[in-house]
Amino acid sequence: GAGVSQSPSNKVTEKGKDVELRCDPISGHTALYWYRQSLGQGLEFLIYFQGNSAPDKSGLPSDRFSAERTGGSVSTLTIQRTQQEDSAVYLCASSLMAVNTEAFFGQGTRLTVV
Amino acid sequence: AQTVTQSQPEMSVQEAETVTLSCTYDTSENNYYLFWYKQPPSRQMILVIRQEAYKQQNATENRFSVNFQKAAKSFSLKISDSQLGDTAMYFCAFMKQNTGNQFYFGTGTSLTVIP
Repeated sequence: GAGVSQSPSNKVTEKGKDVELRCDPISGHTALYWYRQSLGQGLEFLIYFQGNSAPDKSGLPSDRFSAERTGGSVSTLTIQRTQQEDSAVYLCASSLMAVNTEAFFGQGTRLTVV
Repeated sequence: AQTVTQSQPEMSVQEAETVTLSCTYDTSENNYYLFWYKQPPSRQMILVIRQEAYKQQNATENRFSVNFQKAAKSFSLKISDSQLGDTAMYFCAFMKQNTGNQFYFGTGTSLTVIP
């Protein structure tokens, strides 16, 4: 596609439910990042994938968060047993290589946990 | 650990005037990249400008330029001839070189261009 695509654009869920957020990176991009942006905050790193290497999960805030990237392309971020503090915009980015190249961002998914 | 600090949560500027957004960072690395990203209400982050730490010359992109002071660990963004479309959140970001690493972002500056 022309850019990084994220779905859904907005998601409202009840506390305790599981949610899945999807990211379609730019075709051919080997690196994929997930960030979380809470209100009034900067972007918090969650996880990054580079090719077939093991992902860097060092930013995941708890074991309720997980992500996978199938076939080196589409990625899904899953949040289990959602809490109100999980409410944020979740941004995905991809780059041609993980090193020293521009990252292109999607428009994010705004998650609201009620 | 790397940290990025933007000390101006909000700024405003008159259309056609010049504004400077501040950014400082802390790192023990010698080689790295610095970025300014713009986030309009659409939420999509857009790269504005990028600076390699090994380059002494300040990066420029049309109306956007940076003042990179490596010793002071300062990386400010100057927007000249401000336009209404420049209204957005601006994030300063840091990336280590050659590590395939994450971006470290500041908390952002909300810029409003006043007509």
